[in-house]
Formats: sequence, C-alpha cells, structure tokens
Amino acid sequence: GQQVMQIPQYQHVQEGEDFTTYCNSSTTLSNIQWYKQRPGGHPVFLIQLVKSGEVKKQKRLTFQFGEAKKNSSLHITATQTTDVGTYFCAGLGGYSTLTFGKGTMLLVSP
Amino acid sequence: ETGVTQSPTHLIKTRGQQVTLRCSSQSGHNTVSWYQQALGQGPQFIFQYYREEENGRGNFPPRFSGLQFPNYSSELNVNALELDDSALYLCASSLAGGLVYGYTFGSGTRLTVV
Repeated sequence: GQQVMQIPQYQHVQEGEDFTTYCNSSTTLSNIQWYKQRPGGHPVFLIQLVKSGEVKKQKRLTFQFGEAKKNSSLHITATQTTDVGTYFCAGLGGYSTLTFGKGTMLLVSP
Repeated sequence: ETGVTQSPTHLIKTRGQQVTLRCSSQSGHNTVSWYQQALGQGPQFIFQYYREEENGRGNFPPRFSGLQFPNYSSELNVNALELDDSALYLCASSLAGGLVYGYTFGSGTRLTVV
C-alpha cells in the first residue's frame, strides 16, 4: 500500500529562522494535502497540491509538489512562535482517503 | 457552520469492553472518515462512509465497525478493547471527498484502555 515518509521528525529553531519539512511517497500521488496540528489539537487543513511541479504560497508558507508527484515540501520563512505544531503531509488514495506521514514537529524558541 | 463535533472528549475503558464514539459532521458534508492517532504518530485511516455506505477501509480488524446515519453523523464502535487501542480517535468530514477544501477534523476522543 501507499506509504508516506516525512523528514525530519523534529526540528527546533529560533524565531526568525527558516524551516523546511520534506515528504516522500512510495508511489505516485494523484494529489497531496498538508495539515497542521497544534499541541493538544487536531489536524487543520492547510493546502492541496495537484499538479506536477506545483508551487503554492500562503503568506510565509511555500508548498511544492515534485515533478514526479512522489515528493513534496513545506517551507516556512522567518518562523514565528505561532508556527509551533506538527506538520503532516497526506497522500490521497482510493475514494479520497488520506495516508498521513508521521509528521514533523516544529518547536520555535522566542 | 458548526464544524465537526465529537463525543465524548475523553473516555477510560477496561480491556475487553466495548466502546462507541460519535461524530457530527460539518453541515453539508456527506463523507465521514475515522482515524486513529497514537501518541507521536500521524493519523491512521480506519474507514470512511459516503451516504451511509462504507467505501473505504484501512488495515484495522473487524472489531472496528461503524455507521453513518441519514443526517451524515457517524459512529465508531470498537469491540473487545485491547490496550493498544488507546489513542486519539479523530473524525473528519468532507465535501466531494476532500478534493477541494480538504478534510475538516473534529477535536477527537481520547480513549484510554486500562
């Protein structure tokens, strides 16, 4: 079955530093979604990428989908303490069900 | 728009018991999915319902079962609870299989099996 891997597992940055998390799939993805889960919270949808090579921006967040549609990345410019949480990528499979990676936990020190 | 609501928020059960978790989907959403999230892990897909029919199932044993009702609310039932069933159970609803606006997750039910 489809497997989605994320690296790093954990990253601790100083406020103002950049952050990137990478997502790799064992199979070609039709599309990929990114979610953020705050400590003690639930996943919140951030964005969906569909096209090969697609790049989308949301303020300081930049999302990319690889040309082969087997990898994706999320880059945060100039992190803030409000960025703290775990970022998950999830590939859409049959019937649009989600296969999540293990996530990257981001800690930001002021 | 009330979002996805789940009940109860926390639950403690004894090994071997049965449990029912409930979910009210976001208004207008016709697809409901259930996920199990162990501590420090990503959510794992249990099953999905569309218009009261199960249309997808993850790698979970038959003692995990569910229902979707005509108003699109849903239940997750787990029989013969095991210690490893301790986790956060998340319900997620969507319109058009989450293909446009993604899935809306509820706050989850934290199940502890002792």
